[in-house]
Amino acid sequence: EPEVTQTPSHQVTQMGQEVILRCVPISNHLYFYWYRQILGQKVEFLVSFYNNEISEKSEIFDDQFSVERPDGSNFTLKIRSTKLEDSAMYFCASSGEGQGYEQYFGPGTRLTVT
Amino acid sequence: KQEVTQIPAALSVPEGENLVLNCSFTDSAIYNLQWFRQDPGKGLTSLLLIQSSQREQTSGRLNASLDKSSGRSTLYIAASQPGDSATYLCAVRDKFYFGSGTKLNVKP
Repeated sequence: EPEVTQTPSHQVTQMGQEVILRCVPISNHLYFYWYRQILGQKVEFLVSFYNNEISEKSEIFDDQFSVERPDGSNFTLKIRSTKLEDSAMYFCASSGEGQGYEQYFGPGTRLTVT
Repeated sequence: KQEVTQIPAALSVPEGENLVLNCSFTDSAIYNLQWFRQDPGKGLTSLLLIQSSQREQTSGRLNASLDKSSGRSTLYIAASQPGDSATYLCAVRDKFYFGSGTKLNVKP
């Protein structure tokens, strides 16, 4: 069964460093999303992406964040200058057209900023 | 702003029991509602999606209902098993809001 994959599973970085989180969505999906979950808190929406453009973003997704689909398979989230409060689990999701745009999630990348 | 609430926050039941998890939302103008399960330290597994025009969806021992007018959804789990132990999340899509989840423990 097709699935969303994410790399790395765990990333440790120092405050102020740039990180890139990678996702490979399900191959025939057209809509891509990033979410984060701070330990013990709700899953929070960051951004949605369609047709090579951001279609929606939350107030969390400020200028420190960017997304890119550099080729036909990868979808990346970049954090330019990480802060301690960026430590969280980051989930990528994708959905296709039809079936109500059901979202399928990857296993997540745990980002730890020290 | 949409607020999604899940009650109870935690639930412990003996194996075999039927149970109901609740999800409520404040703005009825939703596109769809999706139920997920999350195992500790893992990603989210989609269980059921109900579109705004639908009233319920069923998959195996799971049945989810949606009442948009009252801002409620329920997830019914029949004949619970220890393998059902996980956190169950509901999410409404207008702008992708999640509830905080119900942590379910099914005791053998």
